[in-house]
Amino acid sequence: AQTVTQSQPEMSVQEAETVTLSCTYDTSESDYYLFWYKQPPSRQMILVIRQEAYKQQNATENRFSVNFQKAAKSFSLKISDSQLGDAAMYFCAYISNFGNEKLTFGTGTRLTIIP
Amino acid sequence: NAGVTQTPKFQVLKTGQSMTLQCAQDMNHEYMSWYRQDPGMGLRLIHYSVGAGITDQGEVPNGYNVSRSTTEDFPLRLLSAAPSQTSVYFCASSERGWSGNEQFFGPGTRLTVL
Repeated sequence: AQTVTQSQPEMSVQEAETVTLSCTYDTSESDYYLFWYKQPPSRQMILVIRQEAYKQQNATENRFSVNFQKAAKSFSLKISDSQLGDAAMYFCAYISNFGNEKLTFGTGTRLTIIP
Repeated sequence: NAGVTQTPKFQVLKTGQSMTLQCAQDMNHEYMSWYRQDPGMGLRLIHYSVGAGITDQGEVPNGYNVSRSTTEDFPLRLLSAAPSQTSVYFCASSERGWSGNEQFFGPGTRLTVL
């Protein structure tokens, strides 16, 4: 079974600084997708960024980028120029590309932005 | 588009009571799912559906029933509520055909079982 591990329950960063959230996963498959979801205090889950395992290039969405290390099964999220609105729970998630639509989540990292 | 809607937003039940959490989406998505979120445990899949008339169990299905009679609706039924079912419940939907499709989440239902 696939597992997703987020070893940092809480992180904090000064406004305008850069922070990296860690995620590791375990799978025997070679074709899959990885996601980072953001959950602000409103509870609404929002997709931040996604990465396909077969793409070597790291995904980037504005201030958000990932460091995808397939061999190490690592998928970290870097937030540049942190803003107060980035404060939220961040969840790493995995899904197989072999007809299995079960999304497996990590336990989340609570990010605090210090003004 | 309203996206994914869930009702109610909050609910308090007594042990043994039954209730249905409603979920609807207006994006014509074939795939719908229910998750529960507990502190320190992330989101765990309860049940999911890949289309009308088709449902399957997720990671934590015990104590919950689902049905999918239409593409739009995917209700979650608690047959006999237990305190262990106190949680926040999220419904999600996505298009099929590509596992990389974004799952769109509803606003959640906070359920307390006394």
